[in-house]
Amino acid sequence: DQQVKQNSPSLSVQEGRISILNCDYTNSMFDYFLWYKKYPAEGPTFLISISSIKDKNEDGRFTVFLNKSAKHLSLHIVPSQPGDSAVYFCAASGGNKLVFGAGTILRVKS
Amino acid sequence: DTAVSQTPKYLVTQMGNDKSIKCEQNLGHDTMYWYKQDSKKFLKIMFSYNNKELIINETVPNRFSPKSPDKAHLNLHINSLELGDSAVYFCASSQGISEKLFFGSGTQLSVL
Repeated sequence: DQQVKQNSPSLSVQEGRISILNCDYTNSMFDYFLWYKKYPAEGPTFLISISSIKDKNEDGRFTVFLNKSAKHLSLHIVPSQPGDSAVYFCAASGGNKLVFGAGTILRVKS
Repeated sequence: DTAVSQTPKYLVTQMGNDKSIKCEQNLGHDTMYWYKQDSKKFLKIMFSYNNKELIINETVPNRFSPKSPDKAHLNLHINSLELGDSAVYFCASSQGISEKLFFGSGTQLSVL
């Protein structure tokens, strides 16, 4: 029973364009959501987060949107850069542990 | 100076062996975790320790035994390794019971 789903295994985007990564969750008790970024042979690193009391959080080129009624969040990267090529994990928290999705591989082409 | 370091990075071993993975963090955090990334790429929590006390123990076979000698270390010992244990194991830490985790670079375990 996967409570956090990232239905797109991969995404390819041209440099300078917008990258949109999506995430769906099933547990309505989740109240905090995060995105982690992972390069090969490294551990995931925290990127951006959003609390369930907000519907948008922005940090530089990265913006996370939360739609609680749809149990959906998305990460927007504008403009996309080749260095953004990585695996992006969505994660949700509703207690004392994080539940991760399976990740989306983002490739930014120059 | 690596914040969360785990060793070894690669571990290849035979079924039935016992092995350990070590983890150390120099961030002063009081909570440490072990995650497993399986073949489907999901990151799943296995254990969490806060101030050396076990606070999360997911449905993990008792062949897996975490040991936290102090707040800065959380080691994972695995007995009687099985083929299905092959995965990447990540150690992580956080300040308090927090969602903002700092991960190690992972240990690729291959059981032959």
